[in-house]
Amino acid sequence: IAGITQAPTSQILAAGRRMTLRCTQDMRHNAMYWYRQDLGLGLRLIHYSNTAGTTGKGEVPDGYSVSRANTDDFPLTLASAVPSQTSVYFCASSDSAEEGGYTFGSGTRLTVV
Amino acid sequence: GQNIDQPTEMTATEGAIVQINCTYQTSGFNGLFWYQQHAGEAPTFLSYNVLDGLEEKGRFSSFLSRSKGYSYLLLKELQMKDSASYLCAPMDSNYQLIWGAGTKLIIKP
Repeated sequence: IAGITQAPTSQILAAGRRMTLRCTQDMRHNAMYWYRQDLGLGLRLIHYSNTAGTTGKGEVPDGYSVSRANTDDFPLTLASAVPSQTSVYFCASSDSAEEGGYTFGSGTRLTVV
Repeated sequence: GQNIDQPTEMTATEGAIVQINCTYQTSGFNGLFWYQQHAGEAPTFLSYNVLDGLEEKGRFSSFLSRSKGYSYLLLKELQMKDSASYLCAPMDSNYQLIWGAGTKLIIKP
């Protein structure tokens, strides 16, 4: 692993199903983020974590949950997927909330049908 | 509220120079980032300005005026591979990046 790894790369999911998007980083970054990106819109923050054991809500948290049990992993869970959650999801990390310079994973393209 | 304004799309010619402008309003300010995003790929870091002035890095330069809430990204000697979206992202008082929709730059031969 080098940088940030997201899995799966893409997924087609039936509405109502539960889904966890995985994100793992090996840079020992404190801060991690989940964004969604929709056509014509900027990146929108779903949830974030400034350090292991803490999480916070972003701009569009409804329908999503996260956990940060350790420094490396930051999974995003859709409890009951809906078609409006069709999007490209990016996980990112940074040295600290102050430093910025986010490193992004390659993204997960999710389609909810 | 927090707001980012940058042109939706720009077109330039290979070998030329292009300037992408960004104006912003944020709750507090802790610097401004520019990212490049090729279609279907993740954003990649280009530059970071925290003080007023120009930062130069090879063919790319970024300028910041905090009093005007204004930044620009200058790309010189344009190459076809520079065709991408360019994202302006100021950092607010909570050290969160605020993202604009980006400027799609089209390079023509």
